[in-house]
Amino acid sequence: KAGVTQTPRYLIKTRGQQVTLSCSPISGHRSVSWYQQTPGQGLQFLFEYFSETQRNKGNFPGRFSGRQFSNSRSEMNVSTLELGDSALYLCASSLTGQGSDEQYFGPGTRLTVT
Amino acid sequence: GQNIDQPTEMTATEGAIVQINCTYQTSGFNGLFWYQQHAGEAPTFLSYNVLDGLEEKGRFSSFLSRSKGYSYLLLKELQMKDSASYLCAVRKRHGSSNTGKLIFGQGTTLQVKP
Repeated sequence: KAGVTQTPRYLIKTRGQQVTLSCSPISGHRSVSWYQQTPGQGLQFLFEYFSETQRNKGNFPGRFSGRQFSNSRSEMNVSTLELGDSALYLCASSLTGQGSDEQYFGPGTRLTVT
Repeated sequence: GQNIDQPTEMTATEGAIVQINCTYQTSGFNGLFWYQQHAGEAPTFLSYNVLDGLEEKGRFSSFLSRSKGYSYLLLKELQMKDSASYLCAVRKRHGSSNTGKLIFGQGTTLQVKP
């Protein structure tokens, strides 16, 4: 079974631009969560989607948004990029996102904002 | 609010045993996960605890005490390949459902020396 895939793997953008990252979950997984990972803050939860609906949300500004499609693939968008948005963005999928349901992480997208 | 604390770094010797502690404060506790993350790679699932007690899985064991807000990951017969970051994550219940976001600690970087 193929793992979680994320595209692109690396991205360089300038301040003020916007960016869209994509995540394809493991086949059959309906829950997709997004995280931002930085050396200073660690792994921080952005949001979770299940059946095309945002089910949980972290404490990030409205510049960060996402969506999920009917095939469970998900995208996240960051508008008006800031230098502080430079980070590794990880996507994780799970069957239902409930209880003991473990999350499988993708390799991440390394975003650099200059 | 929520807070998860782990030691930043630990060093141990190959073949030894190491215990990585995690303390947490959160409302709506709905389980605790441990993940392993090698440098430059995605986190991978190690264990899950929701009830008090010890869960053993090969060389790795995880313990939970809900009343104390405390967990530990025990690694036995350490190998060089165990050098990695170990992340403690708490699932915070969303409303009355069995879903909820994962809140991660900063991670403990374990270095195994020969």
